[in-house]
Amino acid sequence: QSALTQPASVSGSPGQSITISCTGTSSDIGTYNYVSWYQHHPGKAPKLMIYEVRNRPSGVPDRFSGSKSGNTASLTISGLQAEDEADYYCSSYRSTSSSVTFGGGTKLTVL
Amino acid sequence: EVQLVESGGGLVQPGGSLRLSCAASGFSFRGFSMSWVRQAPGKGLEWVAIMDEYGNGIRYVDSVKGRFTISRDNAKNSLYLLMNSLRAEDTAVYYCARPRGCSTATCPTHFDYWGQGNLVTVSA
Repeated sequence: QSALTQPASVSGSPGQSITISCTGTSSDIGTYNYVSWYQHHPGKAPKLMIYEVRNRPSGVPDRFSGSKSGNTASLTISGLQAEDEADYYCSSYRSTSSSVTFGGGTKLTVL
Repeated sequence: EVQLVESGGGLVQPGGSLRLSCAASGFSFRGFSMSWVRQAPGKGLEWVAIMDEYGNGIRYVDSVKGRFTISRDNAKNSLYLLMNSLRAEDTAVYYCARPRGCSTATCPTHFDYWGQGNLVTVSA
């Protein structure tokens, strides 16, 4: 069982918005602003989409946004596009392991 | 363009050994910490090991301590993972990844570049 909890799947139609949640504890998300999100198309290299809760690396569309409240972080994708269909993983620095911990992943389906 | 390319995976029997390699290009390899992350079939990602740019600051996830060894050759822009005493539960796709935030105690905070991964299967 992963240390961070994500829904197994979410879906949305093109143009809609979806939000993926990521729930941790006071040892990780609740204490540190080191939440990141990764997009993974199977067989490809995972891609960093959000770091430090809400920062986007260069080249990531502003349709992707991150936030955090308490022990839960969220990734919102607005204006869904077909190419957004992928697996999404959250991660956070975790004090008890002195490293990052990941969520189990959420499969996003664009209907 | 940053590129990380893993190699060396394959099928190995329980108790066997394997060495993964990661060839880096597109950035100054000797200036960055490097890490390995794995994903078992049907499971989430798991951080495995990390090493700083000098070959120090080595840490491992508890499940591989004493069995896996991370190393690097800055002259060859390469990262390695020597895996001994392999178990069925080590079966996974292994990714080479560049960690960030490693100038502080909370290292790493995230990974900004990843390779495509290399499958390691431990089975009789």
